[in-house]
Amino acid sequence: EVQLVESGGGLVKPGGSLRLSCAASGFTFNNAWMSWVRQAPGKGLEWVGRIKSKIDGGTADYAAPVKGRFTISRDDSKNTLDLQMNSLKAEDTAVYYCLTDMSDYWGQGTLVTVSS
Amino acid sequence: DIHLTQSPSFLSASVGDRVTITCRASLGISSYLGWYQQKPGKAPKVLVYPASTLQSGVPSRFSGSGSGTEFTLTISSLQPEDSATYYCQQLHSYPRTFGQGTKVEIK
Repeated sequence: EVQLVESGGGLVKPGGSLRLSCAASGFTFNNAWMSWVRQAPGKGLEWVGRIKSKIDGGTADYAAPVKGRFTISRDDSKNTLDLQMNSLKAEDTAVYYCLTDMSDYWGQGTLVTVSS
Repeated sequence: DIHLTQSPSFLSASVGDRVTITCRASLGISSYLGWYQQKPGKAPKVLVYPASTLQSGVPSRFSGSGSGTEFTLTISSLQPEDSATYYCQQLHSYPRTFGQGTKVEIK
């Protein structure tokens, strides 16, 4: 059974940093392209970024609102996906979902609140 | 970026009704379109991908159709458990984009 479990969410002040993690199991993680999607309270879904598998280059691409502030990385030895978020703004407040790049499997989400 | 326009934003229908949601893409995306159901407090669940392929375990009352720029999700006989918000997403290119969502309410 495929499982994606996010952790690391919480309350952070504007300008601060937070690192989210996603533990993957039930599939061959090192072959998988992985993504992050977020959802602000009461709003729709917004794609955040994607990282390719290492065999396909391991590069990441980002949505314009987070480019230069967020970094996606992966540790294939631990089957984990990370999202490092810096220079956080109030508008980054959202539930963050880890998912496979073709959106077939999603984690349960972790809430990030950016507020003073 | 490819923009997706979903309609309607809200619909209210009775149990047993046939319901159709439309998703229009600003550029042709072949069949690289998915449909997702999201219930309050839960992660989205994929219903259809690619455009007309029902995912395993999804009830047969759901169906998807279309290609290019026009897509539809149809629920042939609305059930109480179908009360949710539905989103389309294009998986043709990056950045991946979503429609704004359609909230389905049971009368």
